[in-house]
Amino acid sequence: EDQVTQSPEALRLQEGESSSLNCSYTVSGLRGLFWYRQDPGKGPEFLFTLYSAGEEKEKERLKATLTKKESFLHITAPKPEDSATYLCAGRVKAETSGSRLTFGEGTQLTVNP
Amino acid sequence: EAGVTQFPSHSVIEKGQTVTLRCDPISGHDNLYWYRRVMGKEIKFLLHFVKESKQDESGMPNNRFLAERTGGTYSTLKVQPAELEDSGVYFCASSHPRGGQETQYFGPGTRLLVL
Repeated sequence: EDQVTQSPEALRLQEGESSSLNCSYTVSGLRGLFWYRQDPGKGPEFLFTLYSAGEEKEKERLKATLTKKESFLHITAPKPEDSATYLCAGRVKAETSGSRLTFGEGTQLTVNP
Repeated sequence: EAGVTQFPSHSVIEKGQTVTLRCDPISGHDNLYWYRRVMGKEIKFLLHFVKESKQDESGMPNNRFLAERTGGTYSTLKVQPAELEDSGVYFCASSHPRGGQETQYFGPGTRLLVL
């Protein structure tokens, strides 16, 4: 059964304190590992897609990396506005156009000023 | 470009009533997905449309849920009759097929509370 597990469930940081969020996955025929950000009362907002081990992508203070078993979301010198729930999702092999995402439960990040 | 929109944003109904949720995907997106998040759990897949056809409905919990996408544009998800365990947030997402590289964009969700 496809499964995505995120850790920690919650993380509190001081502004400027760098850290990493973990996403481990067991998804058969993975065709993309996705990171989304979700603010309270809103839908998931797309951040990154990683397709192969060793791949890295960056956006402002965020950098996502991928290995064969897990992905990390590194947050460098976070600011209070980075506070949100970060979701990881795996996409299974697509037999046809498009396919489902399997989500983890998310990491709730709070950055204190 | 307008994003995915969903209506209503909130719905409170009594057990046994019917509720219909609507999703308008991003213009030109053939793929449309429904997901839901129940309290304390992860977001889970419900079903996937390609244009007006149901591509994968393996995540639908039971036959009280009916999804349609007439004309391949907007989609509706009807719950009839609603049960307490149907409470949660229902998300819609859409994407444009790009071979092996597809990004799903999510709407703001409909928060459903069944009393």
